[in-house]
Amino acid sequence: DAGITQSPRHKVTETGTPVTLRCHQTENHRYMYWYRQDPGHGLRLIHYSYGVKDTDKGEVSDGYSVSRSKTEDFLLTLESATSSQTSVYFCAIRGTSGGGFYEQYFGPGTRLTVT
Amino acid sequence: AQTVTQSQPEMSVQEAETVTLSCTYDTSESDYYLFWYKQPPSRQMILVIRQEAYKQQNATENRFSVNFQKAAKSFSLKISDSQLGDAAMYFCAYRSAGNQFYFGTGTSLTVIP
Repeated sequence: DAGITQSPRHKVTETGTPVTLRCHQTENHRYMYWYRQDPGHGLRLIHYSYGVKDTDKGEVSDGYSVSRSKTEDFLLTLESATSSQTSVYFCAIRGTSGGGFYEQYFGPGTRLTVT
Repeated sequence: AQTVTQSQPEMSVQEAETVTLSCTYDTSESDYYLFWYKQPPSRQMILVIRQEAYKQQNATENRFSVNFQKAAKSFSLKISDSQLGDAAMYFCAYRSAGNQFYFGTGTSLTVIP
């Protein structure tokens, strides 16, 4: 348990509405990530952050934006939700266990359904 | 971008038996790290085992071990003495030198009592 929480855990929204998912961590990790998980695709990186106000795009960033105004919170926003964004969203942090692994630890996930 | 391939969408094993999950990856890097994650029905992603590419010795964590074949770009997971709690989706992952993670599509493991 790396002290990562996500909110909400489940959300149903309508096409065209804005949605914000929150990731909160309590252990002062510098790196945070947002992934989406879809059947047949595994996990794919949406955006990541390497510090407050420092973010970068991942593999599937179109339609998503992120913000990080403080170390502990990383927000993912769908400006205008579409049905193709129905997915399970995971937040992750980069571990600091040493040895150069930088393994990732994940939050519990948010299931988002866009109708 | 690196690709990670898990060619077995589903596997099953009898309780107490051994099962091996396959993973191959494509890379031109010489220094990288490999991981196996477990995702039970609770949806939580759990780190199972990890391997450094420049270490020849295969990693072991209790009943879990890997067979790392660097030249073949293969990283299989062996689960010994399978237990009902091992039933889950298993994901192979590659971490590049640039710190990006790439995940396979997963293998769903069923444990038969």
